[in-house]
Amino acid sequence: RKEVEQDPGPFNVPEGATVAFNCTYSNSASQSFFWYRQDCRKEPKLLMSVYSSGNEDGRFTAQLNRASQYISLLIRDSKLSDSATYLCVVNDYKLSFGAGTTVTVRA
Amino acid sequence: DTGVSQDPRHKITKRGQNVTFRCDPISEHNRLYWYRQTLGQGPEFLTYFQNEAQLEKSRLLSDRFSAERPKGSFSTLEIQRTEQGDSAMYLCASSLVRTGANYGYTFGSGTRLTVV
Repeated sequence: RKEVEQDPGPFNVPEGATVAFNCTYSNSASQSFFWYRQDCRKEPKLLMSVYSSGNEDGRFTAQLNRASQYISLLIRDSKLSDSATYLCVVNDYKLSFGAGTTVTVRA
Repeated sequence: DTGVSQDPRHKITKRGQNVTFRCDPISEHNRLYWYRQTLGQGPEFLTYFQNEAQLEKSRLLSDRFSAERPKGSFSTLEIQRTEQGDSAMYLCASSLVRTGANYGYTFGSGTRLTVV
């Protein structure tokens, strides 16, 4: 079983739509989680950390369910600039990445 | 210090040749990581260093791969006798770890290797 399994998409949504996707992780002892964003042929960049209580950063909301070992990301009011691959990441002294979810926002 | 630097940005090599990549981390960061990313996949962990000590190597890191961080600053990743399957983006990241807390990772722009 992979350490991090992610909904691959692709998600193709119109501007202004809400899009949500998930990932699961295998190590129940994992404590630290992130969402990274990666644009085509660029390095991954930190989008946001994921906290147990859930957290928002502008139009982005991350949720963590420790019991189900499940992490989600929701993007509200999608913009064209949100088109990217979103990587679910577990931090256990090193980063373990999912394969990424591709989101395309169309005009 | 402007972040993590990787050199070269692109490398095209013939199968069977050796290649070496360099990573210069953020100067105060004590940890340095190497990842490999192929098309359609997330980055896969290869190895990491705490200062000059190599603490873990992934099983992905075959005998043809070697990494060093001789003075606890920059690191090199060498691939010997390259194969077409080695074609990938090689990413370096660094972080500062103190008393068990990791203060965030910074990635370099990567070295894109093409083996022809």
